[in-house]
Amino acid sequence: DTGVSQNPRHKITKRGQNVTFRCDPISEHNRLYWYRQTLGQGPEFLTYFQNEAQLEKSRLLSDRFSAERPKGSFSTLEIQRTEQGDSAMYLCASSSRETQYFGPGTRLLVL
Amino acid sequence: DAKTTQPNSMESNEEEPVHLPCNHSTISGTDYIHWYRQLPSQGPEYVIHGLTSNVNNRMASLAIAEDRKSSTLILHRATLRDAAVYYCILGRYGQNFVFGPGTRLSVLP
Repeated sequence: DTGVSQNPRHKITKRGQNVTFRCDPISEHNRLYWYRQTLGQGPEFLTYFQNEAQLEKSRLLSDRFSAERPKGSFSTLEIQRTEQGDSAMYLCASSSRETQYFGPGTRLLVL
Repeated sequence: DAKTTQPNSMESNEEEPVHLPCNHSTISGTDYIHWYRQLPSQGPEYVIHGLTSNVNNRMASLAIAEDRKSSTLILHRATLRDAAVYYCILGRYGQNFVFGPGTRLSVLP
């Protein structure tokens, strides 16, 4: 299966710690998206890349969040000084045309 | 704000057809209509998408109204594995998706 992969699948951390998530998109997909989903809600857009360029950031993406896609392939999402409100599922998606394909997500729990 | 409106929940009996409606009265000419579904603790799964004409694939059919202001996802024979939250989303290439709360489909054996 050559779908979108995300690692780790689960992360438990203590408040104040930094965490980093990785997303490997479908190869040759030039667009990569990050979303966040809290319980009972639909996913909310965070940011997206076209190749290595970060083209849009949501106001949800506070200054504690940073995302990179250094060579236009995989991407990382880092959260610094985590807060309990950061607990959520973090989803990555990639696309080459109008359809986005999602990964399984990384579930973050901040204690 | 979500640009689509869906019922919060629907129920179906196993092996019967299911018609999931979606209203999108503010759709623009270049918006595709996408349907995804999501099981608990999993990422959204692509189901089907279309622009103007009805579409069929191995999972479902998509019926699009002539004025494109509404659409219907059709599952021809519901199975227990079809129980999920179904999202109807408008979008185009390079645009982030705006998800609403979706429709929670329950399938009764």
